[in-house]
Amino acid sequence: GAVVSQHPSWVICKSGTSVKIECRSLDFQATTMFWYRQFPKQSLMLMATSNEGSKATYEQGVEKDKFLINHASLTLSTLTVTSAHPEDSSFYICSARVREEGLTGELFFGEGSRLTVL
Amino acid sequence: RKEVEQDPGPFNVPEGATVAFNCTYSNSASQSFFWYRQDCRKEPKLLMSVYSSGNEDGRFTAQLNRASQYISLLIRDSKLSDSATYLCVCPSGGSYIPTFGRGTSLIVHP
Repeated sequence: GAVVSQHPSWVICKSGTSVKIECRSLDFQATTMFWYRQFPKQSLMLMATSNEGSKATYEQGVEKDKFLINHASLTLSTLTVTSAHPEDSSFYICSARVREEGLTGELFFGEGSRLTVL
Repeated sequence: RKEVEQDPGPFNVPEGATVAFNCTYSNSASQSFFWYRQDCRKEPKLLMSVYSSGNEDGRFTAQLNRASQYISLLIRDSKLSDSATYLCVCPSGGSYIPTFGRGTSLIVHP
């Protein structure tokens, strides 16, 4: 079946540095990719939706200048946490929708990335 | 009505019991559904995808009820190791955005 590769699976960085997380669809083209994070003791919340070739749509409360999302191709979306701080430590996961299937197309998830900011 | 709703539980069951969770969704045209499992202080892991025809993997069965707009997860012969939080994912809204439920807590006791 279709696979979404998310990398890195875990990363530790110092406060103030930037971290990039990649989400790649390996055997299909993804029109849309979704990014989520999980706050302590809460479920996973949508951060932003990215469509290939256009600016990402951010959910309320998510700083677009801090969480930079790039969806430059139909197989790759990246999330960059800029000037990371300890409160950004979280689990981040992406999801990709198969291009050919429209809005109701099949979805696939990456395995997630655990970010720890010291 | 919330887009995706789950009973938070906890469901407290003895070993060997059969337990079922439901997750209701509001977007009637949704296509892709999932169940995730999350252990305490661990990352969520994909447990099963939910297909229109149902999906079975060992002791776990996932089903989709389109008429009533819910998905279910059935666990047979519960083990202590099944204790976890189970999260459903359903597309919601006009853009069919995959949305996680709040999770259902399962505790299996000896």
